Amino acid sequence: SQQGEEDPQALSIQEGENATMNCSYKTSINNLQWYRQNSGRGLVHLILIRSNEREKHSGRLRVTLDTSKKSSSLLITASRAADTASYFCATDYGYSTLTFGKGTMLLVSP
Amino acid sequence: AAGVIQSPRHLIKEKRETATLKCYPIPRHDTVYWYQQGPGQDPQFLISFYEKMQSDKGSIPDRFSAQQFSDYHSELNMSSLELGDSALYFCASSFHPGQGEITGGPAGELFFGEGSRLTVL
Repeated sequence: SQQGEEDPQALSIQEGENATMNCSYKTSINNLQWYRQNSGRGLVHLILIRSNEREKHSGRLRVTLDTSKKSSSLLITASRAADTASYFCATDYGYSTLTFGKGTMLLVSP
Repeated sequence: AAGVIQSPRHLIKEKRETATLKCYPIPRHDTVYWYQQGPGQDPQFLISFYEKMQSDKGSIPDRFSAQQFSDYHSELNMSSLELGDSALYFCASSFHPGQGEITGGPAGELFFGEGSRLTVL
């Protein structure tokens, strides 16, 4: 598998706090993406970062990519109860299709 | 805006039966992907189609087959169902501007449907 583990597997925080999730992968990549999934629902794309980028922002989301460590992090600032979901990173390399990591389950309590 | 449509949303089958899932991609999207997600698991790539031809293949069992039709909708056929096939099956679509070959590589984000939940009893 191209993907390693995401950590933490589960994260529980209070509203207003920041949430940081990490993702590791094994091979070279073209792009790394983060997706969100509410329980039993489809995955929703959050943000894409290319292998030549180191940081990207979108609203309350901040993604970093360290290709030397083959890792990425997703930071959600000022979290809300509505951010409760599972978050997956996914990578592609060469001409491969997107491969997903194990995911982090985030619980934001009011 | 139109999204990826999957049907049926829920399906209950007995062991050894067959099942067919359908996927209607976003209009003008040229690539369709099928993923399987077991309980508490990450989505596992099964198979993809670019312009109606198979473009990439993942961990799809030999009991499963899929195709993309002239109207770009796709169907996943599953035969000899096993208990372990119980899962959420997602279809996703994407668009690859300027892609002249069938490479299967994603050019950007995938748009997912809401999934079809298959339960095998």
